[in-house]
Amino acid sequence: DTAVSQTPKYLVTQMGNDKSIKCEQNLGHDTMYWYKQDSKKFLKIMFSYNNKELIINETVPNRFSPKSPDKAHLNLHINSLELGDSAVYFCASSLRWGDNEQFFGPGTRLTVL
Amino acid sequence: GENVEQHPSTLSVQEGDSAVIKCTYSDSASNYFPWYKQELGKRPQLIIDIRSNVGEKKDQRIAVTLNKTAKHFSLHITETQPEDSAVYFCAASRASGGSYIPTFGRGTSLIVHP
Repeated sequence: DTAVSQTPKYLVTQMGNDKSIKCEQNLGHDTMYWYKQDSKKFLKIMFSYNNKELIINETVPNRFSPKSPDKAHLNLHINSLELGDSAVYFCASSLRWGDNEQFFGPGTRLTVL
Repeated sequence: GENVEQHPSTLSVQEGDSAVIKCTYSDSASNYFPWYKQELGKRPQLIIDIRSNVGEKKDQRIAVTLNKTAKHFSLHITETQPEDSAVYFCAASRASGGSYIPTFGRGTSLIVHP
C-alpha cells in the first residue's frame, strides 16, 4: 500500500493553462511538503503545511497555490503555466514539523509546451 | 538563508571501492543532516541521517560524519555495489522562527562499475 501518492504521474500542457497536482499520505503524518526538481536534479522546497497550516512559502510565484483540505492531503494548483515550470514536482510528508525523515511521493513530471 | 554545497557532482568508482561525498553548510543553527538516495526515475529515499549532537553514525556499509566546527558532513559508502548507483543528496535543516526549513545540496551522481 502506498504511503505517499501523487496524481497525475505525467502532465503535459500548453503555456498559459491552469493545472493541479494532488497528493495524499496515509501515514498519519502532521507535515506535508511540495518540492520542485529541475532538469539538473536540484531539489528545492516550495511549500510546507503543518496540520493544514502553511508554514513555509519559499519565494514561490503566486501563480502557485497550495491547498490542504485536511492533514492527509496537500494539493498544488498552478495558474498561467510557463515553460520554466517544467520539472518534476515531489510531494513529501514527515511525522511532525522539525527534523524527521521525509517520505516522498513518486513525483509528477510536468511538461509545459 | 542556508546554503548547502555538495561535492563532487559526479563520482565514478569500481565495484568494491569506497565512495565519499562531502557537503558543507553555512548556517550554524542547522542541527539535522539527512542523506537521500534517488535512483533513476524514482523518488528520493532517506538512507541515513545525523543530528548535531553526534559526530558519526554508521549503518552497515554506510556511514556519515559531522564536523560542526567546520560546518561540513560527509557520506561514506564502503564496498560499493552496482545497486549503489544513484544520485545522492545531502540536506541541512535549520530552525527559523520556530520552523525547520530543509535545504538540499545539488546532488552527486554515483556510478559504480561492475
